[in-house]
Amino acid sequence: DTAVSQTPKYLVTQMGNDKSIKCEQNLGHDTMYWYKQDSKKFLKIMFSYNNKELIINETVPNRFSPKSPDKAHLNLHINSLELGDSAVYFCASSQVGQYGYTFGSGTRLTVV
Amino acid sequence: DQQVKQNSPSLSVQEGRISILNCDYTNSMFDYFLWYKKYPAEGPTFLISISSIKDKNEDGRFTVFLNKSAKHLSLHIVPSQPGDSAVYFCAAGIDNNNDMRFGAGTRLTVKP
Repeated sequence: DTAVSQTPKYLVTQMGNDKSIKCEQNLGHDTMYWYKQDSKKFLKIMFSYNNKELIINETVPNRFSPKSPDKAHLNLHINSLELGDSAVYFCASSQVGQYGYTFGSGTRLTVV
Repeated sequence: DQQVKQNSPSLSVQEGRISILNCDYTNSMFDYFLWYKKYPAEGPTFLISISSIKDKNEDGRFTVFLNKSAKHLSLHIVPSQPGDSAVYFCAAGIDNNNDMRFGAGTRLTVKP
């Protein structure tokens, strides 16, 4: 069983489109995250959700919106996609009191 | 503002020898540090961690050393094996703060 699963694995879309990336974790963790791996390979946090509350929101354009229907899911919606949004997006989860995150396998988004 | 830096983008080591991966950080508030290993097309997987109250943590072939005064940590792999070939990310965080920062990664190649 995959602990943190994201879909799709690859996503190619045109500029201006709206797309979603889904993430699900079956670890019972209480916090989930979205990270973006930029062109310089840095993993930068975008959002985290704890008990359906957004607790971190870095300087991310408001075209990006996280949606968490329940503790096991954190989906990422992106409106009006731009070329610069092309990157690999990683979902992750963690449990309060434990070190370390569990990551999904990533979604490679290509905007053309 | 990259608070966690891995200045070597790549490292090549002969099988059986020691691999040393380095990481520097700037935020003195960080109180735990982790190393992640990442294979192509997969998400980062947790490898080993160290709390700021320790200066060494060992797990099998992997040892992490922390030098708080120098704001430096390193990961030693001995003996290195070809299966260790991957990208290694250093990460740091502040306990009870869900905001872990990652370095850009170092690609380790272990040659048979």
